[in-house]
Amino acid sequence: AQSVSQHNHHVILSEAASLELGCNYSYGGTVNLFWYVQYPGQHLQLLLKYFSGDPLVKGIKGFEAEFIKSKFSFNLRKPSVQWSDTAEYFCAVILNTGNQFYFGTGTSLTVIP
Amino acid sequence: NAGVTQTPKFQVLKTGQSMTLQCAQDMNHEYMSWYRQDPGMGLRLIHYSVGAGITDQGEVPNGYNVSRSTTEDFPLRLLSAAPSQTSVYFCASSYSRLGGSYEQYFGPGTRLTVT
Repeated sequence: AQSVSQHNHHVILSEAASLELGCNYSYGGTVNLFWYVQYPGQHLQLLLKYFSGDPLVKGIKGFEAEFIKSKFSFNLRKPSVQWSDTAEYFCAVILNTGNQFYFGTGTSLTVIP
Repeated sequence: NAGVTQTPKFQVLKTGQSMTLQCAQDMNHEYMSWYRQDPGMGLRLIHYSVGAGITDQGEVPNGYNVSRSTTEDFPLRLLSAAPSQTSVYFCASSYSRLGGSYEQYFGPGTRLTVT
């Protein structure tokens, strides 16, 4: 079955620590990849997206992600987290020829001041 | 632009009752979709639409109906609510119907409790 895996369910970091959240998918075709963030009590917002080209994509608020096709991965990174990054992060995938978005189960990030 | 709007924000239903969750967007997006968000399960696609008059099932369609009579509106109907449908429901829309070349914009969500 097609799936999106986020292995880190809950991450706790201190401010200024570096962040890497894993995302793996199981689709064999060409994919479009997204990271969304959901701040407490708010709806999902796009952090960054990858469609083609440079596999290292930069998003808002200092986040970046690297697409590694051979590993079916799209990990999210930030060199120095802030308390305001406390949120839930979702990886999402859609096949280039498809109509359905598939989301991972999410990673809850808590940043301690 | 108001973006994607959803009503109501909160709803409590008794088992067996029916209701419609409303979703509207003012961005002229072709693609609209409904998700449910449950703890530890992420977002799961219920139904989606690639344009007015066209709908299709997602990952978890049972117990839900949709229709798309206009580009702007995409209501989700629960015909006979069950406790398993207690969840937070998000509506989303995007420009492109093929391959998700454009990101989805999400509404604020509806928190539904079925007792």
